[in-house]
Amino acid sequence: DAGVTQSPTHLIKTRGQQVTLRCSPKSGHDTVSWYQQALGQGPQFIFQYYEEEERQRGNFPDRFSGHQFPNYSSELNVNALLLGDSALYLCASSLYGTSGGQQETQYFGPGTRLLVL
Amino acid sequence: GQNIDQPTEMTATEGAIVQINCTYQTSGFNGLFWYQQHAGEAPTFLSYNVLDGLEEKGRFSSFLSRSKGYSYLLLKELQMKDSASYLCAVRDNQAGTALIFGKGTTLSVSS
Repeated sequence: DAGVTQSPTHLIKTRGQQVTLRCSPKSGHDTVSWYQQALGQGPQFIFQYYEEEERQRGNFPDRFSGHQFPNYSSELNVNALLLGDSALYLCASSLYGTSGGQQETQYFGPGTRLLVL
Repeated sequence: GQNIDQPTEMTATEGAIVQINCTYQTSGFNGLFWYQQHAGEAPTFLSYNVLDGLEEKGRFSSFLSRSKGYSYLLLKELQMKDSASYLCAVRDNQAGTALIFGKGTTLSVSS
């Protein structure tokens, strides 16, 4: 049973550049959430995709955008990179639901470590 | 708004028991999760509580009191491999199914 996969594992960019990160959800899951984790901090929610639409968004600027494909995989795009965007970017997959419950537990991928110079 | 607090660091010895506390403030509580994260790795799911009480899973147990906005993760028979960061996360109805994380508690287990 394949878990959540992410690519690339590491990435180095310079300020002002653009980056695309990719995520494939766990088999059977249909929802993908993206989180940013700065060093020594807990993950912060960026946004969530279900049925190829952004369903929820955290407190992140429009420079952060995403996409979900028909096979449920997802991309996170960040434009005009800033030094402060250096972080571990985590993708989590789950089954969609709004009632709450353990079946909606989010499972995380290994992350992409982005360094902006 | 939402706020989650947990201790920054804890230390313990092999074979001991440790309790990691988490307090939270949310508008519409809809579940609390504990994750374990080893350095440089992804968080892995440990436990889920939505009703008051204790949930036991092998060496790990998690407790919830919704009236007090309080949870703890109890780790028994500590092993060196339990050295990791433990993340408390809350799901809030006003935030949909997004998880709101605390900063994590770094646990160091020594022999």
